[in-house]
Parts: sequence; C-alpha cells; structure tokens
Amino acid sequence: GAVVSQHPSWVICKSGTSVKIECRSLDFQATTMFWYRQFPKQSLMLMATSNEGSKATYEQGVEKDKFLINHASLTLSTLTVTSAHPEDSSFYICSAEIPSGTQYFGPGTRLTVL
Amino acid sequence: GENVEQHPSTLSVQEGDSAVIKCTYSDSASNYFPWYKQELGKGPQLIIDIRSNVGEKKDQRIAVTLNKTAKHFSLHITETQPEDSAVYFCAASRQRDDKIIFGKGTRLHILP
Repeated sequence: GAVVSQHPSWVICKSGTSVKIECRSLDFQATTMFWYRQFPKQSLMLMATSNEGSKATYEQGVEKDKFLINHASLTLSTLTVTSAHPEDSSFYICSAEIPSGTQYFGPGTRLTVL
Repeated sequence: GENVEQHPSTLSVQEGDSAVIKCTYSDSASNYFPWYKQELGKGPQLIIDIRSNVGEKKDQRIAVTLNKTAKHFSLHITETQPEDSAVYFCAASRQRDDKIIFGKGTRLHILP
C-alpha cells in the first residue's frame, strides 16, 4: 500500500509557542490530504481538507487562524498549531488520497503542550 | 450529512473464534466503505475496503459484506489471533476528494 509519513512523531512544547507538523506521501502524489485529531479512546475528527495549490477547507468549529495548513506540493502538507495551549494537546493524524479515492494514514504526531 | 453508527464498542473473542463488527450509514449516496485497524499510539491502517457495486469482499481471514438496501456493512475476522487485538473503525464516503465519515470504533480484545 501507499506510504505516508509524519514528522515529528511526538513533540512537547510550551504554551504560547507554535508547532509545525509535516505530512508526506512517500511513494505517490496526493492532490488531496486530510488532517485529523484524535483524543484518547475516541474516533478521528476531521479538521480540514488540504488541496495542493489552494486554500484548505476547514470543518465547522475548527479555527483556521489557529491551525494553519499549507499544501505546497503534491507530496507535502503541513499543519501549524499556532499559539498552542494545553487544550490543543492531542494526537494529530494526516491522510493522503490516491487517485481511486482511498485514503492512507500517517503514523500520527502526539502533541503535548505544557 | 452522513452518519455512521458502529457496534459493538467493545468486543472480546476467544483466540481462534470469529469476530463480527457491524456498521450502519445514513447517506444513500455513500459508495465507498473502508475499514481501518488502529493499534495503540499508531495511525489507522487500511485493512480492507468495499465499493457499492460489490456485495462482499474477502482477503485471507478478513471479509466485508455490504447491504446497500439496508445501509449496513460488516467486518468479519475469522480464526482470530492475538495480533488482531486493536481498535477497528468503519467509515463511509461518497466520492473521491470527499471526506470520510468514521464510526466511533470497536475495541477488539482477543483472549488467550
């Protein structure tokens, strides 16, 4: 199957700082990538849909100025959590879509904000 | 919008027995139904998927069935093994580039 990587796998930061998470499709090009967050023992919650070369589409209730998404190439999308606070601590997961519509997920990034 | 219900939330099965997880969806326009397995601290892994033009699909010990009329689909795992222990998510989607709607997950425990 298609391989999606995320970097970093985990990050700890101080409250008020910004954190950037990278999502890469390693062996295919993805015009569409998705960003999710997942709280412990819960399902995945879609945050935004990222399309290469255009602005991301955010789900209702997700602050676009706080969660900045950039999809500058067909193999890379980034999520920047700006001015992070403890309530932003979560497991962030990206997925990349292949032409058939199947989504492959990255391994996730665990963010802890102190 | 689409709503996906998944049952049960927790399932314990003796090693070697079969496990069945069931999902229902609400949007009749949904035509793609993937199943993901998530181990602790990892991202979801696609294990099998089915499209609406097919009623059943099998891959070794894993099979998925789809009933479009009733709007429900199921995951069947036979001859369960300890490594099958994980959280399983069903999902539904309408078309390419469209978002996937996930069920709430089923925590599967394989008992020795």
